[in-house]
Order: sequence, then structure tokens, then C-alpha cells
Amino acid sequence: SQTIHQWPATLVQPVGSPLSLECTVEGTSNPNLYWYRQAAGRGLQLLFYSVGIGQISSEVPQNLSASRPQDRQFILSSKKLLLSDSGFYLCAWSPSGDEQYFGPGTRLTVT
Amino acid sequence: GENVEQHPSTLSVQEGDSAVIKCTYSDSASNYFPWYKQELGKGPQLIIDIRSNVGEKKDQRIAVTLNKTAKHFSLHITETQPEDSAVYFCAASILEGSTLGRLYFGRGTQLTVWP
Repeated sequence: SQTIHQWPATLVQPVGSPLSLECTVEGTSNPNLYWYRQAAGRGLQLLFYSVGIGQISSEVPQNLSASRPQDRQFILSSKKLLLSDSGFYLCAWSPSGDEQYFGPGTRLTVT
Repeated sequence: GENVEQHPSTLSVQEGDSAVIKCTYSDSASNYFPWYKQELGKGPQLIIDIRSNVGEKKDQRIAVTLNKTAKHFSLHITETQPEDSAVYFCAASILEGSTLGRLYFGRGTQLTVWP
């Protein structure tokens, strides 16, 4: 069966520091991969998606970037965090572009 | 792009009662409609989905109905239990062959089931 991992689970970082969140999927190949952010108030905002290695599409211009160095690995990065980057970051995968399955999430607090 | 609206934002029911959450969408080309359940501090979990070629789908106590003409779909939970308490999200997507299906989410419904 397929599983999706995210780490770290929680992170507290000062303003201006770099960020790297990692997501890996097991048990499948060539999945679509997604990064979402969920701020307080529940809404899910799509940040990036990828249909293959090195193929990244951005939904919202911002302080973040994404990379897909391997088929089942998706990384979310920032060079300098802002207070507004705080939130719950969710990675998701899809076998074929319809059903999406979410990871456990990373709670990021920027202080 | 697609716009999905979800109502109500909060819903409280007594254990054993039914709960209904409704969503509307704007793009008539949308053809895939999943529902997610999110417990506190966890990622959303896909609980049921429906495609535009059917009008209703059931899975034990959960059912989803779709009205393409009116562009709305609903989640029905029967015989609610305290463990059904969570935030529920609806979403809509346009699936085109093997291309990316981008999900447009509603803003969520906090369901509380009182024992």
C-alpha cells in the first residue's frame, strides 16, 4: 500500500531563517505531488504541484519555492521566512490526477 | 477558475441524528467531487468521492449526492457518532484524461456530534 511521510512534524523558526520541509511517498511511482498551506480558519491553499521530476508549477507567487529531486520526493523551501509563512503545511499525492491523499502535515511557527 | 462554496460553516447534532453539508460549484465542466474529513492536528482524509456520471454514492453511513443541473453536491452522514466530529471539506475538479486534476476546496464545516 501507499504511504506519505512529512517531516518535521512541527517546526519553530525565527523570521529571516531558511526553511526546508520534506515529503516522500512510498509504494507508488510517478505520482502527482502537491504542497498546500492551511492557515487558521481551515482554508486549503494550493502552493505548488508537480507531475514529474523537475516539473514544478506555482499557484501563488510568494516567499516559497518547491523542488522534486526524485520521483517520490517533494521539498518546500524558503531562503528567508516571514511571519506570514506560519501555518500548517500539507503534502499530497495523486496516482492519476483525481484522488488526492494527504500527509500528516508540518506545523510551522515563525517567530 | 472554479469557485466552491460550502455551508454551513459549523454544524452541531446529537448523536444518532443525521448531518448534511452542502456545496455549490461554479464551473459546469467540473466532473469530480471528493469529500475530506480532517481531525484536529491531522491531514485531511479522503472519505468519499463522486464523479459526474452518477447522481449518488453510498458507503455505510456516508452518502454523497450530486445535482449537475443545479451545480451542487451534498454529504450525508446518518446515525452520527462522536468520532464523526471533525472538519469536513468538499472539493471540485475538472479531470481531463491523464492531466493534473486541480482541486478547488470549500472553506470547511466544523461538525460536532454531542453524546
